[in-house]
Amino acid sequence: AQSVAQPEDQVNVAEGNPLTVKCTYSVSGNPYLFWYVQYPNRGLQFLLKYITGDNLVKGSYGFEAEFNKSQTSFHLKKPSALVSDSALYFCAVYPQTGANNLFFGTGTRLTVIP
Amino acid sequence: DTAVSQTPKYLVTQMGNDKSIKCEQNLGHDTMYWYKQDSKKFLKIMFSYNNKELIINETVPNRFSPKSPDKAHLNLHINSLELGDSAVYFCASSQQLAGGSQFFGPGTRLTVL
Repeated sequence: AQSVAQPEDQVNVAEGNPLTVKCTYSVSGNPYLFWYVQYPNRGLQFLLKYITGDNLVKGSYGFEAEFNKSQTSFHLKKPSALVSDSALYFCAVYPQTGANNLFFGTGTRLTVIP
Repeated sequence: DTAVSQTPKYLVTQMGNDKSIKCEQNLGHDTMYWYKQDSKKFLKIMFSYNNKELIINETVPNRFSPKSPDKAHLNLHINSLELGDSAVYFCASSQQLAGGSQFFGPGTRLTVL
């Protein structure tokens, strides 16, 4: 069965420090991988995706994510956190085989402390 | 111009009522979706339509009926509302069904009393 895990419900980081939000997945084949961000009382916004090619994917607002096939991970990173990055982050996977929909993780709330 | 819009933004109603949520996208996308986000922020696909045809119907009660009059619209009708239906419902669209990046609407917060 396809699944996406975000092991941390909450991540706190000081402004200016690097941040990492973790995601691991369990699907068969070669999935597409996504990160979305949700600000309070808003819909989800697409940040970045990995389909194929370079394992390091760059996205919106200075975020990037690294695809690691051996560890089945797709961690979201940013070199220097901003207070405005505080939001709820969702990892998602599109399996390509079987189900025709995105499977979302349970979300990680990122708080950047001034 | 709003890419994916939903109406209403808030919906408060009594148990047993029937209500509808409307969704429109002006992105020219072929595929539209409905998601339910519960109080713990868990997001789950409910339906997806591709070119007005139902593609995904994920273990959703029959009380929920999506309708797509054209590619730009996907409405959600809910009969006999129950307390457990209280959630935020998101509409989304993508250019293609196969893993295209999805654009989400602002959500409709449904509260059933």
